[in-house]
Amino acid sequence: AQKVTQAQTEISVVEKEDVTLDCVYETRDTTYYLFWYKQPPSGELVFLIRRNSFDEQNEISGRYSWNFQKSTSSFNFTITASQVVDSAVYFCALFNDYKLSFGAGTTVTVRA
Amino acid sequence: DVKVTQSSRYLVKRTGEKVFLECVQDMDHENMFWYRQDPGLGLRLIYFSYDVKMKEKGDIPEGYSVSREKKERFSLILESASTNQTSMYLCASSFPGQGGNTEAFFGQGTRLTVV
Repeated sequence: AQKVTQAQTEISVVEKEDVTLDCVYETRDTTYYLFWYKQPPSGELVFLIRRNSFDEQNEISGRYSWNFQKSTSSFNFTITASQVVDSAVYFCALFNDYKLSFGAGTTVTVRA
Repeated sequence: DVKVTQSSRYLVKRTGEKVFLECVQDMDHENMFWYRQDPGLGLRLIYFSYDVKMKEKGDIPEGYSVSREKKERFSLILESASTNQTSMYLCASSFPGQGGNTEAFFGQGTRLTVV
């Protein structure tokens, strides 16, 4: 069985604050892939990052960074110096054994 | 350009009708998925397929079936539509590439209303 938990339902911040989104996953497999997607108010799902289970290096892309820790089964996502355009629902997802499962999502609201 | 196309953007169906939601991808992807998205519940996996004629139940398969007769097409079938199946339905595909499975590419979604 596999499962993705995003415990934070909603987060509201003021522009320029940092925000960290938590993602905890469960799987019995050693080979798997983790993803983050963004869904802005327009509705389309935007791919942000993929990480495989053998690559624990953290990654930074502009104001976005990701922290993957296998020891705690977590793949957290931080937005630094948030902007209004970051307002969206963010989903964490887990792929293994042909199955792609998503968390319930975290709604981020960035206020000007 | 990568493309996943769902046949309808909006559908209104009556209770008890048989409903077909079609999804076509032009990327030669092996993996295809059907989800429904409801507020506060995220994307819940209904069915998935990793090859032609292969299908696996996801987390909420009850009331649904699927068909994959060709690699590019994955159909979701509501055998007898009910009001609790009113939702946004999303189709996706992905590819088990050399570097590992790619990200999933999504269609634009079908907003189904059952009345």
